[in-house]
Amino acid sequence: ELKVEQNPLFLSMQEGKNYTIYCNYSTTSDRLYWYRQDPGKSLESLFVLLSNGAVKQEGRLMASLDTKARLSTLHITAAVHDLSATYFCAVEEVGNDMRFGAGTRLTVKP
Amino acid sequence: EAQVTQNPRYLITVTGKKLTVTCSQNMNHEYMSWYRQDPGLGLRQIYYSMNVEVTDKGDVPEGYKVSRKEKRNFPLILESPSPNQTSLYFCASSLSMGGEQYFGPGTRLTVT
Repeated sequence: ELKVEQNPLFLSMQEGKNYTIYCNYSTTSDRLYWYRQDPGKSLESLFVLLSNGAVKQEGRLMASLDTKARLSTLHITAAVHDLSATYFCAVEEVGNDMRFGAGTRLTVKP
Repeated sequence: EAQVTQNPRYLITVTGKKLTVTCSQNMNHEYMSWYRQDPGLGLRQIYYSMNVEVTDKGDVPEGYKVSRKEKRNFPLILESPSPNQTSLYFCASSLSMGGEQYFGPGTRLTVT
């Protein structure tokens, strides 16, 4: 059974600092997604990673995928308050259902 | 405007009273999916559909039904709701399986 583990689950950082959120999964897959959810809102797609070694960047966020290690990372550079949200990774096993991590609640403090 | 809509947005009902949550997308997407979100558990997939008349069970399908008679609509049916189905439900769609998903605004369901 596909399991997806994110860590940390809670992250409090200061503005301007860098940090990484990790997403580990248990079976072979080359389809990984990152989403953002603001409190009381729906989910917004951030990145779609579809191959080993894929790296995508948008603003202060960069996501990467290592299918051999079954690991994806979401790196935050020089955090700002606007990045405060909950971040989810999700893994899709080909031909099967989508599994989400429990989410990382990020708080960026001034 | 490209969007996924869900109705109703909020619903309080009683155990055993059948209900349907509608989901509609206007992007001609083939893939549609239903999730439930519970605190500490992230999102769990209930059912998904890769195209019209094709539906498959996700991680937590028990107690739910779906249908995909038209490409744009993917209703979620609870034949006999129970309190453990109290949750926040999201519908999502994408061009195909493996694509970026667009989520609806969510339906908060309470079953008493």
